[in-house]
Order: sequence, then C-alpha cells, then structure tokens
Amino acid sequence: AQKVTQAQTEISVVEKEDVTLDCVYETRDTTYYLFWYKQPPSGELVFLIRRNSFDEQNEISGRYSWNFQKSTSSFNFTITASQVVDSAVYFCALSESGGSNYKLTFGKGTLLTVNP
Amino acid sequence: DAMVIQNPRYQVTQFGKPVTLSCSQTLNHNVMYWYQQKSSQAPKLLFHYYDKDFNNEADTPDNFQSRRPNTSFCFLDIRSPGLGDAAMYLCATSREKPGQYNEQFFGPGTRLTVL
Repeated sequence: AQKVTQAQTEISVVEKEDVTLDCVYETRDTTYYLFWYKQPPSGELVFLIRRNSFDEQNEISGRYSWNFQKSTSSFNFTITASQVVDSAVYFCALSESGGSNYKLTFGKGTLLTVNP
Repeated sequence: DAMVIQNPRYQVTQFGKPVTLSCSQTLNHNVMYWYQQKSSQAPKLLFHYYDKDFNNEADTPDNFQSRRPNTSFCFLDIRSPGLGDAAMYLCATSREKPGQYNEQFFGPGTRLTVL
C-alpha cells in the first residue's frame, strides 16, 4: 500500500527565510509519480510539480526547488527567500502507475506561515 | 483560460435534504475526480470517471453518487446529507490515467454546510 508522510504539521518562518518541507513516501511499485500541491486559504489546490520515479534530477523553479532521493524515499521541497504569499498548506502526494490505480495518496499537509 | 469550475462555491443544506454539486472543465481531460476534504485533513478520493467509466472508492458511502453526462461536466449528488458530510468538496481533472501526464488540476472547491 502506498503512503505519504509529512512529519511537519506546521512551520512558521519570517519573510526572506529559507524553508524546507519534508515528504517521505512508501510504495511497492518501481514506477510511481510524486507531486507537490499548494492550498492557499482560498481552498484551491494548485499543482506545483510532478516527479517520475525514474528521474532523480533535482529541479529548480524560481524560488522553489525540489530534492528527490530514492535512496531515502524522500521528495523534499525548499522555498528560498520566503514571502508572505507563500503562506498555505502544502501537500505532497504519490500516484502509482499500476493497473487502474488512479488514486493520488496525499500526505496530511504542512501548514506554512510566513510572517512579515 | 482553461480551468476547472465548481458551482456553487458555498452550499448550505439541511440534514437529509438532497444536494447536488457541479463541476465543469474546459481542459478536455479524460478523467474527472471528486474529493472530500474535511477541516485540516488531506483530500480523500470519493470516486473518479475515466471518460464514461465510473470508479467508486471502496470506502465511499452509498449516500454519495456521481454523474458525468458529457466530457465537460460532472456532478456529485449527496442523497441524504448528514452532519458528518460537511466538508470542502474538490473536483479535479487529469488528462490521462496514471502515467506521464497524470497531474491533477483542481477546482476551487465547494464548501458544504449541513444544518
């Protein structure tokens, strides 16, 4: 069975600090997909990134970067120079590729508060 | 802009009174999903449609039904809402089944209150 653990329930930082959100996953599939979503107070889940299990390259997009390490089953998300607008709940999610399994398994989310 | 639209954004119903939530998409995606998200919890998948094929999660209560009359629209029917059904209901779409292009795009959600 697939499982996603986000151990940090809440993180509070001051603007311009760097912050890393942790995500650890479990799966028996050799092919799987990892995602990060942002959920601001408005409620809409915003897709940030998808990572395939066969591609361990780290990715940077502006102030966002992702560190995927299969050896530790982790897919961590770092925000550099955080801003107040980054305040949201961030969900890590996992999807397996096998058969008709369409399910996105979400972690419980990390509430990030960026204070001015 | 192409998007996932949910109406209404806020819905109030009475205990036991049927309610329908609606979702539409302009992305022309094959797959549509309904999630339930309770306060401070992760979204929980209720069911999904791959084209016209309906797939129910094993633990989705019978009280929840869905219809997809065409590619663009999908409805969530709650036949007899209970107090425990108060939640945010999120509709999502994805281009294809799990694979290279399977990221899900979410609508803004409908917050359901049951009195």
